[in-house]
Amino acid sequence: DVKVTQSSRYLVKRTGEKVFLECVQDMDHENMFWYRQDPGLGLRLIYFSYDVKMKEKGDIPEGYSVSREKKERFSLILESASTNQTSMYLCASSSTTGGGYEQYFGPGTRLTVT
Amino acid sequence: QKEVEQNSGPLSVPEGAIASLNCTYSDRGSQSFFWYRQYSGKSPELIMFIYSNGDKEDGRFTAQLNKASQYVSLLIRDSQPSDSATYLCAAALSGTYKYIFGTGTRLKVLA
Repeated sequence: DVKVTQSSRYLVKRTGEKVFLECVQDMDHENMFWYRQDPGLGLRLIYFSYDVKMKEKGDIPEGYSVSREKKERFSLILESASTNQTSMYLCASSSTTGGGYEQYFGPGTRLTVT
Repeated sequence: QKEVEQNSGPLSVPEGAIASLNCTYSDRGSQSFFWYRQYSGKSPELIMFIYSNGDKEDGRFTAQLNKASQYVSLLIRDSQPSDSATYLCAAALSGTYKYIFGTGTRLKVLA
């Protein structure tokens, strides 16, 4: 079974803090993704990585950066947290083989910025 | 702007009935489509994926794809209260590994 884990289920941070969200997958997947999910807005892609050290901006990259130093690990960084970054953050991974490129999600991190 | 559209619901069906969830997509080049189930407060869980026109069955679930009409559906037979959740439709964007997600349809199965 594919396993995607995220470092925290719940996180509370103050405005202006630097926040690190970590994601690890154990299926040797090439692709990893960070989304945020907000009521009424659905899942929105923040960043995507298709290989170690490779990244591509998604639809809403402003205020975020990412790091992928190892294949299994993809980190999302909020350089200076703001209240409008309060959200559910979801990491996903997928393979580039097999045809479907199905994405598998981690359990999510609910981040509150106060 | 590429889109996947779903009716937000809620769609209410009695226990034991067939639930029919629908989605349309705008990227004519999309080849792969996915259905996820998401319980409140949890992350999306992959239920099914479909690439070819026609039907694909897996247990109580059947995914249907019509590329000419740019339409994907998910049928849930013998619906159970435990099927009550939000169902997300996703399409893989042509030429990329990225998906675009619909905003989901909330399904309520009434006991």
